[in-house]
Amino acid sequence: GQQLNQSPQSMFIQEGEDVSMNCTSSSIFNTWLWYKQDPGEGPVLLIALYKAGELTSNGRLTAQFGITRKDSFLNISASIPSDVGIYFCAGTNTGNQFYFGTGTSLTVIP
Amino acid sequence: EAQVTQNPRYLITVTGKKLTVTCSQNMNHEYMSWYRQDPGLGLRQIYYSMNVEVTDKGDVPEGYKVSRKEKRNFPLILESPSPNQTSLYFCASSLSGVLAMRGYTFGSGTRLTVV
Repeated sequence: GQQLNQSPQSMFIQEGEDVSMNCTSSSIFNTWLWYKQDPGEGPVLLIALYKAGELTSNGRLTAQFGITRKDSFLNISASIPSDVGIYFCAGTNTGNQFYFGTGTSLTVIP
Repeated sequence: EAQVTQNPRYLITVTGKKLTVTCSQNMNHEYMSWYRQDPGLGLRQIYYSMNVEVTDKGDVPEGYKVSRKEKRNFPLILESPSPNQTSLYFCASSLSGVLAMRGYTFGSGTRLTVV
């Protein structure tokens, strides 16, 4: 199956710092999604991207759909303790089958 | 409250003993899907269903079965569980396959241990 690689695998940052993470694929997608998973819970959708080059924000979160359609990026500005969790990217072309990244674990140190 | 409900949340079983993990949604969603989550591998799709009586394989279907006899329920069946099926399982749903591109609603997960 498709392999989506996320980096970094984990991050430890101070509260207030900005965070950047990315996701790359061996294939192109026409939709990229970013999810956050809190401990003990299922992933929750943060941002959806539908067009190459698209830049979309959701509060302190900004995500971009890469021009090549093989990558996507997520930035979090001014991190706070509740940003802790695992962030997953996901790509799809059909809406039937989704391919998820390996996840970036974020720890925010107060 | 709109939700996807999985049961049980935790399950320890022995190799070869058939088990079923239930998934139910109350949003009248057509599309439902099962994933497993393993460290370092992210979430991998097991099966999905576009509607009642319509199911299809995802990326890692071996060792699993599903059924979709009614819209709200999508059980995951392990006929003969093996230790390599020890994992965290998530059910997810969306109004339709196309609208799944706007994001799923996930259940809270089922942690399965096969010994």
